[in-house]
Amino acid sequence: KAGVTQTPRYLIKTRGQQVTLSCSPISGHRSVSWYQQTPGQGLQFLFEYFSETQRNKGNFPGRFSGRQFSNSRSEMNVSTLELGDSALYLCASSGHQNTEAFFGQGTRLTVV
Amino acid sequence: DQQVKQNSPSLSVQEGRISILNCDYTNSMFDYFLWYKKYPAEGPTFLISISSIKDKNEDGRFTVFLNKSAKHLSLHIVPSQPGDSAVYFCAAATNTGNQFYFGTGTSLTVIP
Repeated sequence: KAGVTQTPRYLIKTRGQQVTLSCSPISGHRSVSWYQQTPGQGLQFLFEYFSETQRNKGNFPGRFSGRQFSNSRSEMNVSTLELGDSALYLCASSGHQNTEAFFGQGTRLTVV
Repeated sequence: DQQVKQNSPSLSVQEGRISILNCDYTNSMFDYFLWYKKYPAEGPTFLISISSIKDKNEDGRFTVFLNKSAKHLSLHIVPSQPGDSAVYFCAAATNTGNQFYFGTGTSLTVIP
């Protein structure tokens, strides 16, 4: 069974640009969540999608948005990039509520 | 507002001894708890979980203990092995979706 796939693995962008990250969950999983990891901050929850609907949202500005497609694949978009957006962005998929989430390897975004 | 806290940023243990990693939480609505292990440049890997109806869950060398009255959980690794050296995150969730709240992690070093 294939795991969670995130693309691209690495990305370098300039301040003010926008970026789109992609996540393909484990086959059969309908819940996809996104997290931002920065040094000293642990993993901060961005949002969760379930069956194409945003079910939960963290405390991030509106520049961070996402969507989920009918095949459960998800994209995350960040507009007007800031230096502080440099982080590892992780996607996780889950089969059911209150079960473990399986993470992808992440996309390392560097904003210069 | 950090609802899940890991107060020890690092821990060193001799090979063969017990490693005890601690985690505290503040939200009494959390009813599902997990531990993840993470290597640099990789996504977190699920280790073990526990639901709030239990106070202990065991899987091989890993045991998680939950003390609901103290809002505290711990992960015991016995015996510790050099391959266990990694950053360990605890996480918690309520029953309203798959939004996980993560601690900031504890870096475990097992010394051969």
